[in-house]
Amino acid sequence: SQQGEEDPQALSIQEGENATMNCSYKTSINNLQWYRQNSGRGLVHLILIRSNEREKHSGRLRVTLDTSKKSSSLLITASRAADTASYFCATDANFGNEKLTFGTGTRLTIIP
Amino acid sequence: EPEVTQTPSHQVTQMGQEVILRCVPISNHLYFYWYRQILGQKVEFLVSFYNNEISEKSEIFDDQFSVERPDGSNFTLKIRSTKLEDSAMYFCASNTESFYGYTFGSGTRLTVV
Repeated sequence: SQQGEEDPQALSIQEGENATMNCSYKTSINNLQWYRQNSGRGLVHLILIRSNEREKHSGRLRVTLDTSKKSSSLLITASRAADTASYFCATDANFGNEKLTFGTGTRLTIIP
Repeated sequence: EPEVTQTPSHQVTQMGQEVILRCVPISNHLYFYWYRQILGQKVEFLVSFYNNEISEKSEIFDDQFSVERPDGSNFTLKIRSTKLEDSAMYFCASNTESFYGYTFGSGTRLTVV
């Protein structure tokens, strides 16, 4: 498998429920980021977690990072219809401003 | 909020033709990138640009590709002789020294026929 694999590939939940997406990666990283992409649109940066951090919060988002397992999770609490999108993790192997390696993405559908 | 602007949003071109995709990064950003996403696939890195030169490029970024920052505001990606497999969404991104995530443009959908 390649650097940055998300699971599940697709997730459908009822509005109001929590959504959890996971990402695994293979090489050492400096930071890991999560992006959202609405259908046919650009990538929107959601949150960045550095390799020396274990958990980070931003509004309804919670990200965890386990560097020993080379994995991260993104939790969206109290989901809304507007959260329907694809979510990608992306890793940066060096100190910032280097290329990002994206995962395969999770397609999240929130059912009203 | 500052944006990265890409034009055109959609371009259709004949195979073998040259295309130029344009981007206006955020004005105080110093690092610039092009990524592409073939339909249904991962977002892939093409090239990074800093201090008026390419800092890194991927295997995808062969001799058919080039980038330029001609006037201090625009950042362009040129594909000299397009192939069918160049059909993809192309994203421009920019970043500052104070790194906190990239700002991506909304993309140019390139269709080669």
